[in-house]
Amino acid sequence: SQQGEEDPQALSIQEGENATMNCSYKTSINNLQWYRQNSGRGLVHLILIRSNEREKHSGRLRVTLDTSKKSSSLLITASRAADTASYFCATSNSGAGSYQLTFGKGTKLSVIP
Amino acid sequence: NAGVTQTPKFQVLKTGQSMTLQCAQDMNHNSMYWYRQDPGMGLRLIYYSASEGTTDKGEVPNGYNVSRLNKREFSLRLESAAPSQTSVYFCASSADWGTQPQHFGDGTRLSIL
Repeated sequence: SQQGEEDPQALSIQEGENATMNCSYKTSINNLQWYRQNSGRGLVHLILIRSNEREKHSGRLRVTLDTSKKSSSLLITASRAADTASYFCATSNSGAGSYQLTFGKGTKLSVIP
Repeated sequence: NAGVTQTPKFQVLKTGQSMTLQCAQDMNHNSMYWYRQDPGMGLRLIYYSASEGTTDKGEVPNGYNVSRLNKREFSLRLESAAPSQTSVYFCASSADWGTQPQHFGDGTRLSIL
C-alpha cells in the first residue's frame, strides 16, 4: 500500500526557476526520505529527515517536515536541465518495529532549458 | 567503487520459466532489499534482509523467493514466471535497517511473455 503521495504528479518549469514538490503520508513515521530517479536508472538518495526535525538543507535542496499535518515538501532552487527526473518520497514507519520504506508514486519534473 | 550491482540488466522469459536475479553490494552494508517498479507506480518491497542470515517478506512477496548468500549478495528467484511479474526489479542496500538511506542498483528489466 502507498504511504506517501506526491503532489503534483508532473511539473514543468523553466531553467532557473524553483520547483516545489509535496508529499503527504498517513501514519506515524520514523523518518522521511526523498529520492531522485533519472530515466532508466536506479533511485538516488537526496535527503533523510527524521521525525523530530523540521527542516534540512543540502546544496540547492531544502526539505521541510510537518508531522502535525503529516506532510513534507522538497524545494529545488535555481533549477537546471540536469534536475529533470522523477522525485519520490519514502516513509519509514515507526509502528510495530517495522522500518520498511514505503514509496509514493513520484513527481515527474521537467526543467526546460 | 561499484556500489550495488545487479545482473542481468535485461531478460525476457516465457511463462513458467524460472530465473534468478543477482545483486551484490561492496559497501559492507548490513541490510539489503528487493523492490519492483511498475509503470506510474512507486517502488513496492518484495523481500528484505535486515541483516546477514535473515530474510522477511515485504508488501508483495507472492511468486518470489530470496537468498541472502553472504553479507554482499542477495538474490531473488522467480520459480515459475507469470506475465504479472513483468516489471523493473531494483536491489538496494543500507548500512542499517530502516534508519539509513538506501543505495540502489540500476535495475533488471524483466519481460515475461
